[in-house]
Amino acid sequence: DTGVSQNPRHKITKRGQNVTFRCDPISEHNRLYWYRQTLGQGPEFLTYFQNEAQLEKSRLLSDRFSAERPKGSFSTLEIQRTEQGDSAMYLCASSLSETGDYEQYFGPGTRLTVT
Amino acid sequence: GEDVEQSLFLSVREGDSSVINCTYTDSSSTYLYWYKQEPGAGLQLLTYIFSNMDMKQDQRLTVLLNKKDKHLSLRIADTQTGDSAIYFCAEKGRDDKIIFGKGTRLHILP
Repeated sequence: DTGVSQNPRHKITKRGQNVTFRCDPISEHNRLYWYRQTLGQGPEFLTYFQNEAQLEKSRLLSDRFSAERPKGSFSTLEIQRTEQGDSAMYLCASSLSETGDYEQYFGPGTRLTVT
Repeated sequence: GEDVEQSLFLSVREGDSSVINCTYTDSSSTYLYWYKQEPGAGLQLLTYIFSNMDMKQDQRLTVLLNKKDKHLSLRIADTQTGDSAIYFCAEKGRDDKIIFGKGTRLHILP
């Protein structure tokens, strides 16, 4: 297993278009997280899944954002009617929830540019 | 609410020690972390400390935790050019989400 992977690595889209990103976590990791990182900021939590259940959503996640993890493995994050303010790096992380777990493993991110 | 604060920039001469400081607000945090992010790369977990520890040392890295003051520091001994990066302080808050600071950009002077 080579770690968390994300596709695409870069996405340029015009304002108003829909985009979808994919995250493949480390196999057997049951938790999957999405974060957003804008320039000069640290990553901000968006949402997370335990298996296929979405357990928490940040207030940063507007109605235009939707995330799924249909089979408890890979996840998709869709942004509808993109706005310039959506331009950011979208990071995915995964972890194995068990007693004493401490680490979330991050993917390389998908950089979104909305023109 | 949950918040993590850290200084934005630090310049250090090669070979000297770097000390990056951080304060956090959530006293219920179980783990505190230091992540490293190099240009164009993802986040790399450098080290972490459990909240009932005061200090952790890992090769050139020393983490100090003052839980009373909610203060965390990272010391990098013998700083090298390869240490040039952005360092994020973070805490594991409620529901396992990680709260990050804005990052400290470490610049190494020759």
